[in-house]
Amino acid sequence: KQEVTQIPAALSVPEGENLVLNCSFTDSAIYNLQWFRQDPGKGLTSLLLIQSSQREQTSGRLNASLDKSSGRSTLYIAASQPGDSATYLCAVGRGADGLTFGKGTHLIIQP
Amino acid sequence: DVKVTQSSRYLVKRTGEKVFLECVQDMDHENMFWYRQDPGLGLRLIYFSYDVKMKEKGDIPEGYSVSREKKERFSLILESASTNQTSMYLCASSFQGPIETQYFGPGTRLLVL
Repeated sequence: KQEVTQIPAALSVPEGENLVLNCSFTDSAIYNLQWFRQDPGKGLTSLLLIQSSQREQTSGRLNASLDKSSGRSTLYIAASQPGDSATYLCAVGRGADGLTFGKGTHLIIQP
Repeated sequence: DVKVTQSSRYLVKRTGEKVFLECVQDMDHENMFWYRQDPGLGLRLIYFSYDVKMKEKGDIPEGYSVSREKKERFSLILESASTNQTSMYLCASSFQGPIETQYFGPGTRLLVL
């Protein structure tokens, strides 16, 4: 059974820092990997989707990488801002059978 | 913009009541999903559907059923609500195919007393 782990569980950094969020998964037979953002009490917003054949995806200040063979993904956030404060969720695609989620990294960017 | 809407943001029900959570998407997506989210447990898949009148069990289907009579609407049913079903319920939809992004609704926070 696929298990997804996110480290760290929580992170607090000063504004302007570059930071890395980590995600690992136990079964490398994945279709894709998605990073989501969730604000308190709200739904999920998709940030980046990496297909299993890709190594990375970029959107603005965000860059996500995927190393399928080692079961790892990282989300890199450049020049962090207070508006980046949220919970970041990593999810592994099981084909059409939905996603398996990690428990998230709660990120606080201090002004 | 893709829009996934859920019928209620907050819901309070009594133990034993039958509860309906509704989800509607406006992008003609084939796939629809129901997840629940609990502190310390993360999001877990309850049920999903590939097409109208099709349904598949996810990881935690016990105590739930679903209905998909129209392509745009996917309902989650709690036949007899229990306190351990107090949770945040999130609906999602996507196009068919294993590499498609899932789009999520705002969630329904359900409290069962």
